[in-house]
Amino acid sequence: AQSVSQHNHHVILSEAASLELGCNYSYGGTVNLFWYVQYPGQHLQLLLKYFSGDPLVKGIKGFEAEFIKSKFSFNLRKPSVQWSDTAEYFCAVRNNNAGNMLTFGGGTRLMVKP
Amino acid sequence: DGGITQSPKYLFRKEGQNVTLSCEQNLNHDAMYWYRQDPGQGLRLIYYSQIVNDFQKGDIAEGYSVSREKKESFPLTVTSAQKNPTAFYLCASSRTSGMSTDTQYFGPGTRLTVL
Repeated sequence: AQSVSQHNHHVILSEAASLELGCNYSYGGTVNLFWYVQYPGQHLQLLLKYFSGDPLVKGIKGFEAEFIKSKFSFNLRKPSVQWSDTAEYFCAVRNNNAGNMLTFGGGTRLMVKP
Repeated sequence: DGGITQSPKYLFRKEGQNVTLSCEQNLNHDAMYWYRQDPGQGLRLIYYSQIVNDFQKGDIAEGYSVSREKKESFPLTVTSAQKNPTAFYLCASSRTSGMSTDTQYFGPGTRLTVL
């Protein structure tokens, strides 16, 4: 069965620090990759996605992620975080042989100290 | 205002009672999904529906039931058979399932607490 791992469950950073959240998945076939963000009290919303093409994907609010197929990874990065980035971040993978079903990682709670 | 609505936002239930969570979308999406979110476990798929009058079990369907009588609506019933129902429930929808360009969009969620 497909699985998605987010190794960092809680991350605490100061403002202006750089961020990298890890995401690894187990499926070896063609996949689509997503990062979702859940700000306190808000909907889960799409941050960025990768379907094909350039493996470096840019999303909203200065976030980017890099798909490294050989490492089965899709890590999320931001060069300089802000207090408003405090949220929970979820990586999700869709196996293209399994319809539109997403498998989510366990989430990473990011707290940015002002 | 387009989007996905879930009601109620908070729900309390006594043990042994069934309860139904509402999910409505006006995005004209064919596919709809129910997830359960627990701390540290991410989102787990309960049920999904790719088209009206059809639905499939997800990874953790036991103790839950759904219906899809209308395209816009996909209610979830948490039955008394669900052993650990206290959780945050998220509904999502997407354009026709299976197309590679689809993205799932989420509602605001319902927090269910069993007393």
